[in-house]
Amino acid sequence: GAGVSQSPSNKVTEKGKDVELRCDPISGHTALYWYRQRLGQGLEFLIYFQGNSAPDKSGLPSDRFSAERTGESVSTLTIQRTQQEDSAVYLCASSLDRGADIQYFGAGTRLSVL
Amino acid sequence: QKEVEQNSGPLSVPEGAIASLNCTYSDRGSQSFFWYRQYSGKSPELIMSIYSNGDKEDGRFTAQLNKASQYVSLLIRDSQPSDSATYLCAVNKGLWDSSYKLIFGSGTRLLVRP
Repeated sequence: GAGVSQSPSNKVTEKGKDVELRCDPISGHTALYWYRQRLGQGLEFLIYFQGNSAPDKSGLPSDRFSAERTGESVSTLTIQRTQQEDSAVYLCASSLDRGADIQYFGAGTRLSVL
Repeated sequence: QKEVEQNSGPLSVPEGAIASLNCTYSDRGSQSFFWYRQYSGKSPELIMSIYSNGDKEDGRFTAQLNKASQYVSLLIRDSQPSDSATYLCAVNKGLWDSSYKLIFGSGTRLLVRP
């Protein structure tokens, strides 16, 4: 595609429910990143994929968070048993490969946990 | 100490003035430095990247890097109201960090007064 695509753009859920956020990177980009941005804050790194493996999961805040990637395409970030503190914008970025460090961001998914 | 620090602002400048945005980072092994612009409710957009000491100019934007002082700045000449946004400084450890994840500052909000 022309850019990084994320869906849904907005998600409202009730505390305790599971949510899935989707990211479709730029075609041909092998590296994919998930970040979280709380209101008024910078971006926090969550997880990095090179192809479909995740060599760096160091930013995942708890075991309620997990992510998968199919080949070198779509990635899904899953948050189980959502909590109010999970409310944030979840941003996905991709780059051409691991050594190409310019990352291009999607528009994000705004998650609100009531 | 945060890995990447920015003054949150807001930095208010009159239209036509030079806006100077500053960022310091803690890890001397950092290799790549980026400035992203983020309009309210939008995703970050890359405006400058810099990798070696000195100045890098692109149109009205100049990035300055001083690795000895662990300092990177962004100058915006002839500031326009459309430049009003939050500017995020991001640092990548590159070869020192196999994931190439970006570490972001919390951003400086710039307000250009007409």
